[in-house]
Amino acid sequence: DQQVKQNSPSLSVQEGRISILNCDYTNSMFDYFLWYKKYPAEGPTFLISISSIKDKNEDGRFTVFLNKSAKHLSLHIVPSQPGDSAVYFCAASDAGGTSYGKLTFGQGTILTVHP
Amino acid sequence: DAGVTQSPTHLIKTRGQQVTLRCSPKSGHDTVSWYQQALGQGPQFIFQYYEEEERQRGNFPDRFSGHQFPNYSSELNVNALLLGDSALYLCASSLAGGGYQPQHFGDGTRLSIL
Repeated sequence: DQQVKQNSPSLSVQEGRISILNCDYTNSMFDYFLWYKKYPAEGPTFLISISSIKDKNEDGRFTVFLNKSAKHLSLHIVPSQPGDSAVYFCAASDAGGTSYGKLTFGQGTILTVHP
Repeated sequence: DAGVTQSPTHLIKTRGQQVTLRCSPKSGHDTVSWYQQALGQGPQFIFQYYEEEERQRGNFPDRFSGHQFPNYSSELNVNALLLGDSALYLCASSLAGGGYQPQHFGDGTRLSIL
């Protein structure tokens, strides 16, 4: 039962353009969503999060959008840089319930930014 | 500001053996969670420790157990190792006070079972 899905295994974009990574979820109890970036041989690095009371959150080049009715979120990276090349994971939790921050992850999307 | 540290980095064991992995949380954090990441998959939640008690558990057998010490560091123990236990084991720490806190990960322990 895959409660968080990233349907695109990979994405390739040109440097300077926008990267859009997508994530869908099925559990309507999820109310806190996060994006992580992972380089080989390193642990996931926290990028940005959003709670279900908002529909957008920005931090520098990174913006996360949440569409609760569609149970969909996306991460926009503008402009994309070669150093952004990594695996990106979407994660969700029922933070306001009894899950105490248990994160459920998607399978990841490999982003490649070409110079 | 020290981040989450895990040891060892790599470990090779044989089937049936037991293993202990260790984690020191980020400075100021008091909650530790453990995840298992198989190749090509996202991390899977094993359990979370807070105030030296297991607060929540994922869908893992009792062979997986843990402990949290008064200094908030934690251990993950796996008994009767199976080939399928080969994975990257990640520790994450966060602040208590509900789940609206991002978890910060260490670089993991790569466990290989022969």
